[in-house]
Amino acid sequence: NAGVTQTPKFRILKIGQSMTLQCTQDMNHNYMYWYRQDPGMGLKLIYYSVGAGITDKGEVPNGYNVSRSTTEDFPLRLELAAPSQTSVYFCATGGGANTEAFFGQGTRLTVV
Amino acid sequence: QKEVEQNSGPLSVPEGAIASLNCTYSDRGSQSFFWYRQYSGKSPELIMFIYSNGDKEDGRFTAQLNKASQYVSLLIRDSQPSDSATYLCAVNRPGGYQKVTFGIGTKLQVIP
Repeated sequence: NAGVTQTPKFRILKIGQSMTLQCTQDMNHNYMYWYRQDPGMGLKLIYYSVGAGITDKGEVPNGYNVSRSTTEDFPLRLELAAPSQTSVYFCATGGGANTEAFFGQGTRLTVV
Repeated sequence: QKEVEQNSGPLSVPEGAIASLNCTYSDRGSQSFFWYRQYSGKSPELIMFIYSNGDKEDGRFTAQLNKASQYVSLLIRDSQPSDSATYLCAVNRPGGYQKVTFGIGTKLQVIP
């Protein structure tokens, strides 16, 4: 039982490049989230989804896009990478609106 | 005023002592409160959650909630070096999980 799997673990991007961070879960959770974590800033919600076909913006969505075509997958797309997007990205899932989140192992992204 | 406030630390305690981690929140309508532990370079994992005023105990961990004072704390009894990590407080404001706000985390160091 893998839980929440993120790929890649590390990536270096050049300014202006694009990439997709992958997130897959086998927990059969409807709720999925993307967070970024910067030093001293806590976890900030980028996008979330409450089920296949349903996504919505979180606190810091600019520069990102998501899709949710299946229950299992919730990829995060970065278009035109900027140095401000250098961060650690976590995908998480949850069984409901008021329950704990289960986090993937994270993706450390550097934009140079 | 920040929505969720934590002292970033580090909080240093000797092995075997009680570690007390504190968190205040600004939204009086907040309903659910979570404590996550995050080891350096790893993803957050849930330690405790609490919904009602009072204490909730789980092994060496006790979560305390005082909604009147808008205060939630985590006590770790018999602290061990393996408890050294950053502890994130998360607060679920009304409106569903997408309104969870994380504090910046308190770094705990347990000295052998």
